[in-house]
Amino acid sequence: DQQVKQNSPSLSVQEGRISILNCDYTNSMFDYFLWYKKYPAEGPTFLISISSIKDKNEDGRFTVFLNKSAKHLSLHIVPSQPGDSAVYFCAANFGNEKLTFGTGTRLTIIP
Amino acid sequence: DSGVTQTPKHLITATGQRVTLRCSPRSGDLSVYWYQQSLDQGLQFLIQYYNGEERAKGNILERFSAQQFPDLHSELNLSSLELGDSALYFCASSVAEGPQHFGDGTRLSIL
Repeated sequence: DQQVKQNSPSLSVQEGRISILNCDYTNSMFDYFLWYKKYPAEGPTFLISISSIKDKNEDGRFTVFLNKSAKHLSLHIVPSQPGDSAVYFCAANFGNEKLTFGTGTRLTIIP
Repeated sequence: DSGVTQTPKHLITATGQRVTLRCSPRSGDLSVYWYQQSLDQGLQFLIQYYNGEERAKGNILERFSAQQFPDLHSELNLSSLELGDSALYFCASSVAEGPQHFGDGTRLSIL
């Protein structure tokens, strides 16, 4: 039962353009959503999060949008840089309990 | 550097053996979580400890056990190892309200 889904295994974007990574969830109990970035041979690095009471959160080049009615969130990276090339995981939880992760999207920024 | 330390980085052993993975959380974090990432899979939650007490259990096999010590470091014990236990094992820690921060993982290879 995949409660958090990232349907695009990979995405390629030109340097300087916007990268948009998508995530869908099925569990209405989730109240906290996070994005992690992962390089090979390293652990996931926390990027940005959003509470279910908000619909947008911004941190520098990274913005997360939450559409609760559609059970959908997205991560926007503007402008995309070569160092952004990594695997991005969407995750969700409720009550500060375990994280449920998507299977990840590999983002490649083309110089 | 997330502040979460995992040792060892790599572990190679044989079927039927027992291993112990160690995690030191970030300073001040009371919660410790263990996750397993098998090949091409997302991270799967195993178990959570909070201030020395087991808080939640996920899809953790009976051959696996964990504990959190008074100094808040945690150990994950894997016994009667099988080939399918080969995976990356991540530890994460968090404060009561906040994102989980991950270590760089232990890569376990069963021969």
